Amino acid sequence: QSALTQPRSVSGSPGQSVTISCTGTSSDVGGYNYVSWYQQHPGKAPKVMIFDVNERPSGVPDRFSGSKSGNTASLTISGLRPEDEADYFCCSYAGSYAYVFGTGTKVTVL
Amino acid sequence: QVQLVQSGAEVKKPGASVKVSCKPSGYSVTNFHIYWVRQAPGQGLQWMGVINPSGLITNYAQNFQGRVTMTRDTSTSTVFMELSSLTSEDTAVYYCARRAVTHFDFWGQGTLVTVSS
Repeated sequence: QSALTQPRSVSGSPGQSVTISCTGTSSDVGGYNYVSWYQQHPGKAPKVMIFDVNERPSGVPDRFSGSKSGNTASLTISGLRPEDEADYFCCSYAGSYAYVFGTGTKVTVL
Repeated sequence: QVQLVQSGAEVKKPGASVKVSCKPSGYSVTNFHIYWVRQAPGQGLQWMGVINPSGLITNYAQNFQGRVTMTRDTSTSTVFMELSSLTSEDTAVYYCARRAVTHFDFWGQGTLVTVSS
């Protein structure tokens, strides 16, 4: 499968909101409600922030939210904080135990 | 607490093979699949494959079929990922991750594999 398409970078000032898009196909994002989002700080392992399109694991602030429309999923970070500066990757189930990741987006807090 | 502890960094020559281990703890390993994901320097995440709890069923990404083998030692619950015919393009950090039904909830710390002559 081809990687899901994400913008290379997004930025915002503290307190603002940013939204990251994740575009796939009907075989992955559009075909399943199993989109997850991962935050990765430099040199660290990814951490799940959203799963099943819009579910938050315990401990993840409610500033993080997810949605999906057709073949495109989105992650919104509201009330941007300095510690949110990181790389973010979307991920979708693609059938038969397979997954596909997004190209990644660098979030910069100005 | 749930942990996935991976083996240390490796340096390999082109054409060689590498075997990375991932030892889960803190949960019942019979209930969860383990996935392998790699990340080349400055690049995104790439799904490599999956092994089921018994170690009897695997599914590999098309890009790695014929070169990757995932196994599980049921006596120690340790999972292994072996990649053969290495080239410089295989230089990456390799992660194991636990799948919680639909997503990856715990990850190993990553293992850097460097392929260099």
